[in-house]
Amino acid sequence: DVKVTQSSRYLVKRTGEKVFLECVQDMDHENMFWYRQDPGLGLRLIYFSYDVKMKEKGDIPEGYSVSREKKERFSLILESASTNQTSMYLCASSLPGGPQHHFGDGTRLSIL
Amino acid sequence: GQQVMQIPQYQHVQEGEDFTTYCNSSTTLSNIQWYKQRPGGHPVFLIQLVKSGEVKKQKRLTFQFGEAKKNSSLHITATQTTDVGTYFCGAGNNRKLIWGLGTSLAVNP
Repeated sequence: DVKVTQSSRYLVKRTGEKVFLECVQDMDHENMFWYRQDPGLGLRLIYFSYDVKMKEKGDIPEGYSVSREKKERFSLILESASTNQTSMYLCASSLPGGPQHHFGDGTRLSIL
Repeated sequence: GQQVMQIPQYQHVQEGEDFTTYCNSSTTLSNIQWYKQRPGGHPVFLIQLVKSGEVKKQKRLTFQFGEAKKNSSLHITATQTTDVGTYFCGAGNNRKLIWGLGTSLAVNP
């Protein structure tokens, strides 16, 4: 079974802090994704990566950056956290030929 | 860009009633996937539809892909309290998915 592990289930940070959310998958998937989920807004894609050191902006990349130095790990970085980035963050991975997403448990991030 | 409209946004049913959620697109879809997210959980893949007019069943769940590949539906027969959650459709777009906003299902026992 594919395992996608997010480093924290809950996280509280302060405005202006640099925040790192980590995601690791154990099935050698090429594609990895970061979404944020807010009530009524569904799943919004922040960034995705289809290979090591490759990244593409999603629908809402502003205020975020990503890093993929190793195939199994995809990090989401909030450069200077703001209160409007309080949300549930979901990481997912998939194979290139099969867009079926495997999700992590999510990180509920609160910015105070 | 490509969009997928999902309706209804919410549905409240009595246990034993049927439930249907629909996804519609103005453009032809290469494939469509369905996911279920339980309260407090993460989306879990249910099924993928690829062929025009395709119908697949999983126990009480029936998934359909329209003949024109522009719409899809998920139908649950005789809902149970275990069906509670949000159902999302996602349209395959190269390596990504274009998501509907989801339909939240509540079931009264």
